Amino acid sequence: GAGVSQSPSNKVTEKGKDVELRCDPISGHTALYWYRQRLGQGLEFLIYFQGNSAPDKSGLPSDRFSAERTGESVSTLTIQRTQQEDSAVYLCASSPGRGGPYNEQFFGPGTRLTVL
Amino acid sequence: GENVEQHPSTLSVQEGDSAVIKCTYSDSASNYFPWYKQELGKRPQLIIDIRSNVGEKKDQRIAVTLNKTAKHFSLHITETQPEDSAVYFCAPRVIGGGGADGLTFGKGTHLIIQP
Repeated sequence: GAGVSQSPSNKVTEKGKDVELRCDPISGHTALYWYRQRLGQGLEFLIYFQGNSAPDKSGLPSDRFSAERTGESVSTLTIQRTQQEDSAVYLCASSPGRGGPYNEQFFGPGTRLTVL
Repeated sequence: GENVEQHPSTLSVQEGDSAVIKCTYSDSASNYFPWYKQELGKRPQLIIDIRSNVGEKKDQRIAVTLNKTAKHFSLHITETQPEDSAVYFCAPRVIGGGGADGLTFGKGTHLIIQP
């Protein structure tokens, strides 16, 4: 079946502009995660959605970052007033659910964001 | 939150030799211990995971061992091959604890297989 998809694959923007990044998880997956990965660095957790529970926003680096999820489907990560330090690959992942054998995270291809 | 450390940050081994990467964590409630592999320019993919009721799990050339007392788990790759060259991440978690699950990845270990 189809895996996690993200769009756009690449985004170049000017400092100060807002950007929206989209993630389509695997159908039926109740959990969705957003990560940031700077060049040559590890995965930095941003936000986590699990079903209808309140999202875990503990990883968002500033109030310029926000994310929404429509039910158990598509999610949008919004970065307002982008800064050069926001340049990174933004990865989305989904997993079937909480607990049991369903913990594997399936990653999308990422969106490479470049802020000029 | 969980403090996660991986060692070494870079590991270079001769093709055919074994490689071991260690992950230490701080939250004693962690009960799920996965390893992800990320090849250059690609997305991370789960290669092996273990739960806290098991001390070791093996899948062909890769294995994971867990020491809950010492709060560390390790990835073992035997008979290394060029396609094993990648960055490996550990991501210990508390699953089903009632609160938000911890989601901290290690900083990664760059494994280089020398021909």
